Amino acid sequence: EAGVTQSPTHLIKTRGQQATLRCSPISGHTSVYWYQQALGLGLQFLLWYDEGEERNRGNFPPRFSGRQFPNYSSELNVNALELEDSALYLCASSSFNQPQHFGDGTRLSIL
Amino acid sequence: AQSVTQLDSQVPVFEEAPVELRCNYSSSVSVYLFWYVQYPNQGLQLLLKYLSGSTLVESINGFEAEFNKSQTSFHLRKPSVHISDTAEYFCAVYSGNTPLVFGKGTRLSVIA
Repeated sequence: EAGVTQSPTHLIKTRGQQATLRCSPISGHTSVYWYQQALGLGLQFLLWYDEGEERNRGNFPPRFSGRQFPNYSSELNVNALELEDSALYLCASSSFNQPQHFGDGTRLSIL
Repeated sequence: AQSVTQLDSQVPVFEEAPVELRCNYSSSVSVYLFWYVQYPNQGLQLLLKYLSGSTLVESINGFEAEFNKSQTSFHLRKPSVHISDTAEYFCAVYSGNTPLVFGKGTRLSVIA
């Protein structure tokens, strides 16, 4: 069974640009979660999608947005990038009331 | 709202010694509890989980954790650590229809 896959592995952008990160969940999982792991800040919840709808959102500004497609894959968009957006972005998927399974992440570096 | 406290940010331990990584949670409802492990430059891997039933849960690589409802704890233990156990360990709580809430992590360093 294929795990959660994220692309790209690394992404380098400059301040003010826009970044798009992608996630494919495990087959059969309908929920996708996004987390930011910045140095020294631990794992911070960003967004939760289930069945194509946004179910919950963490304490992040509106320039962090995303969507979930009919095949349950998901995209995270970050607009107007700032230096402090540099982090590892992790995607996880699950089915109802089951543990989340994580991908290896996208490392976003802002120059 | 739930919260998770991992009491130690770093734990150094000698190879073959026992280790305990502490985790306390707060929640007003029934919870599911998890330990995840993160090796360098990788995502998180599920180590073990408590959903219901026996309060002592075990992983395939020798770790175990015990759910203690009265103390609201879910400490992770291993009787004898190996160099390959060096990683960051995250405790997490989930109460259904909410995202996972993670602790800030404990960095376990095993010294040869």
